[in-house]
Amino acid sequence: AQRVTQPEKLLSVFKGAPVELKCNYSYSGSPELFWYVQYSRQRLQLLLRHISRESIKGFTADLNKGETSFHLKKPFAQEEDSAMYYCALSGDNAGNMLTFGGGTRLMVKP
Amino acid sequence: GAVVSQHPSRVICKSGTSVKIECRSLDFQATTMFWYRQFPKQSLMLMATSNEGSKATYEQGVEKDKFLINHASLTLSTLTVTSAHPEDSSFYICSATTSGPQYFGPGTRLLVL
Repeated sequence: AQRVTQPEKLLSVFKGAPVELKCNYSYSGSPELFWYVQYSRQRLQLLLRHISRESIKGFTADLNKGETSFHLKKPFAQEEDSAMYYCALSGDNAGNMLTFGGGTRLMVKP
Repeated sequence: GAVVSQHPSRVICKSGTSVKIECRSLDFQATTMFWYRQFPKQSLMLMATSNEGSKATYEQGVEKDKFLINHASLTLSTLTVTSAHPEDSSFYICSATTSGPQYFGPGTRLLVL
């Protein structure tokens, strides 16, 4: 069984502060990890995926297989980063099916 | 980028009626479409996986006779909530993929009176 855990429901930081949204997973095979973001009144959209190893909007995430984590980080938060963030996992035999974490609401205060 | 649309965006219906929600991939052919349900302030819960031309695979606890899914083409999947009741009121979201990441529709808010 695959499982994704986001321990924080809400994360509140000031503008310019570093941000780390935690994500831990459990899966026995080779997972593919994603971060999705949902801005207010907008659809869920892909932020980044671990195989791309890219930085989107200043966010990065590194897959740590030893700690089974895929934390999302940004060195300097901006107000426009305020949104719901979902970590998701796709197993290598799951036919593209995603398992979502519970989500973390990021609030960036001015 | 890949765009997925849903129609309608919002629907209000009387208890006992059936409601059909469409999900379309606009600029790509989706071999697989997924249907999710999202309750207020909660994460997405997968309801079913739909592959073009075959029967949908439902998650445990989801009634296949209540939530009818049809995936007749590579660009269209429909979810029909049959004999809707107030407890079916929710936000229904579809996603589509060919391979790799899923692309999500904007969601359909269903309110059953």
